[in-house]
Amino acid sequence: QKEVEQNSGPLSVPEGAIASLNCTYSDRGSQSFFWYRQYSGKSPELIMFIYSNGDKEDGRFTAQLNKASQYVSLLIRDSQPSDSATYLCAVPPLRSGGSNYKLTFGKGTLLTVNP
Amino acid sequence: NAGVMQNPRHLVRRRGQEARLRCSPMKGHSHVYWYRQLPEEGLKFMVYLQKENIIDESGMPKERFSAEFPKEGPSILRIQQVVRGDSAAYFCASSPRLFSGTPGELFFGEGSRLTVL
Repeated sequence: QKEVEQNSGPLSVPEGAIASLNCTYSDRGSQSFFWYRQYSGKSPELIMFIYSNGDKEDGRFTAQLNKASQYVSLLIRDSQPSDSATYLCAVPPLRSGGSNYKLTFGKGTLLTVNP
Repeated sequence: NAGVMQNPRHLVRRRGQEARLRCSPMKGHSHVYWYRQLPEEGLKFMVYLQKENIIDESGMPKERFSAEFPKEGPSILRIQQVVRGDSAAYFCASSPRLFSGTPGELFFGEGSRLTVL
């Protein structure tokens, strides 16, 4: 059974700090990874995508992937109160056969950034 | 360009009643996917539809749940004889073509939250 695990939190950081969100996955062959942000009562919104080992940076966000250890993380630098949301890690099927829409989501980590 | 529209946003039903959730995909999108988010759980895939066709319903419960995407109008997720365990947020997503896993192709609606009393 393929699984994606996240610490449900809540994770609380002060404004301006670095928030670190972690996700582990069970399927060693997984190739790509998505990070979604979901504000309370709103739709999940894709914020980062990574498929290569190492770091990928986009503004204040950095995704880190370590396939050997089977974890992917999201770092948010200079955290702002507006970053307060639930962050979801999602993984497409290993052998999609055209079924990439069957994303496996973690339960999400609730992040609170305190002013 | 309106996003994926879902309604109702909140729905309350008593056990045994029927729930109908509607999803209008983004303009130009002809592929619709339904996901369910149970309390304290991650989103789970339910069904994938194109116009007038159910392509993949492997995530649908075997009984009481059905989905359609007619030639005209929104996609509908129908739950008959609801039970308390059906209380969840139901999210619809759409894409302009079969989602290949490429970022930026898949867009979610804000969900319909079903509460069964």
